[in-house]
Amino acid sequence: GDSVTQMEGPVTLSEEAFLTINCTYTATGYPSLFWYVQYPGEGLQLLLKATKADDKGSNKGFEATYRKETTSFHLEKGSVQVSDSAVYFCALVTGNQFYFGTGTSLTVIP
Amino acid sequence: NAGVMQNPRHLVRRRGQEARLRCSPMKGHSHVYWYRQLPEEGLKFMVYLQKENIIDESGMPKERFSAEFPKEGPSILRIQQVVRGDSAAYFCASSPRVRLAGILNEQFFGPGTRLTVL
Repeated sequence: GDSVTQMEGPVTLSEEAFLTINCTYTATGYPSLFWYVQYPGEGLQLLLKATKADDKGSNKGFEATYRKETTSFHLEKGSVQVSDSAVYFCALVTGNQFYFGTGTSLTVIP
Repeated sequence: NAGVMQNPRHLVRRRGQEARLRCSPMKGHSHVYWYRQLPEEGLKFMVYLQKENIIDESGMPKERFSAEFPKEGPSILRIQQVVRGDSAAYFCASSPRVRLAGILNEQFFGPGTRLTVL
């Protein structure tokens, strides 16, 4: 069935470090791919999305490219800030359902 | 425009009691989704509803769980005779329509209800 696999956390980085959070997917058809972010005590917020192969989603310095050949949608940011500390979820949608990964917790220390 | 609202934010129940979780979608949104987040796990889809209709309940346990989205008022997720394994965060999401230009529309999430079963 359709699913998303995310790199396990937690991830701890120093401020201004480079961030990569890996995400691979399994899906029939042509899914759309999303990254959501969850700050402590809050619900999920859409961070970025890509709807077809080779699309690049970007927002707030974060980027992810929809790679059909490697079935991946890795999240990257060149220079993280303390305020980026949160849990990040990769998700795909196909049919009527969203499928979420298990989430990767990121802590950025000053 | 207020976001998706869920209440209560925290709910404590003893085994065997009933839990009622409420979700008010964003204004103008007629599609509601419920997800469960267990500790150390991702979000799991439970049920998708439109006004007065259950569209997809494939992720919801067959027993003790039910959901509704009446014509007036919030969507309700009801768990009867709760057990310790029901302890989780329950998130509601809403969207204005299922698809926009053929692509499943973005879902807007509420802050969640954290259910603890003693």
